[in-house]
Amino acid sequence: GAGVSQTPSNKVTEKGKYVELRCDPISGHTALYWYRQSLGQGPEFLIYFQGTGAADDSGLPNDRFFAVRPEGSVSTLKIQRTERGDSAVYLCASSLTFVGGFSSYNEQFFGPGTRLTVL
Amino acid sequence: GQQLNQSPQSMFIQEGEDVSMNCTSSSIFNTWLWYKQDPGEGPVLLIALYKAGELTSNGRLTAQFGITRKDSFLNISASIPSDVGIYFCAGPGTTGNQFYFGTGTSLTVIP
Repeated sequence: GAGVSQTPSNKVTEKGKYVELRCDPISGHTALYWYRQSLGQGPEFLIYFQGTGAADDSGLPNDRFFAVRPEGSVSTLKIQRTERGDSAVYLCASSLTFVGGFSSYNEQFFGPGTRLTVL
Repeated sequence: GQQLNQSPQSMFIQEGEDVSMNCTSSSIFNTWLWYKQDPGEGPVLLIALYKAGELTSNGRLTAQFGITRKDSFLNISASIPSDVGIYFCAGPGTTGNQFYFGTGTSLTVIP
């Protein structure tokens, strides 16, 4: 079956512009995650959705970043007034559901990412 | 956030050699995950560990959950060229849904 897809694969924009990054999770996955990966670093958590609601947005760096998932499937990460420091690969992941606590883990399947370059 | 430090940062090995890498945390984790990331792709889960002291294998890969719960180890035996990539450890934050990733170990296998 199809995995997680992300569009566009590459996005080049100018400082100050607005961008939208799209994520199509695996069909039937209720949990969706956004991460940011800077060059030479591991992914950094941004936000997590369970269904349509953002269950945890504590990783969003500031109010220029916003994400939605209106129908509980596709999600869009929106960045306003982009800055050069926003340049990174933005990864999306989905899992069948979220299992809370520390004793188990529902595997997160990652998309290939969107490489954002802010000039 | 929690800091996960991986060592070594990079490794260059001959095909057929065994590889060891580790991950240490400033905090206790109750779950440890190991991922591999190929260029232009997202990370792929290799092994999940749920209990201190646990030793789990996946083919030529073996991972261990440290007794202190602040570290984990990944070993790859008889490396092959397709093992090339970046290996990340990860663990959950206090809420369980926020995952922290390590700094990564880049592996190069020389045929």
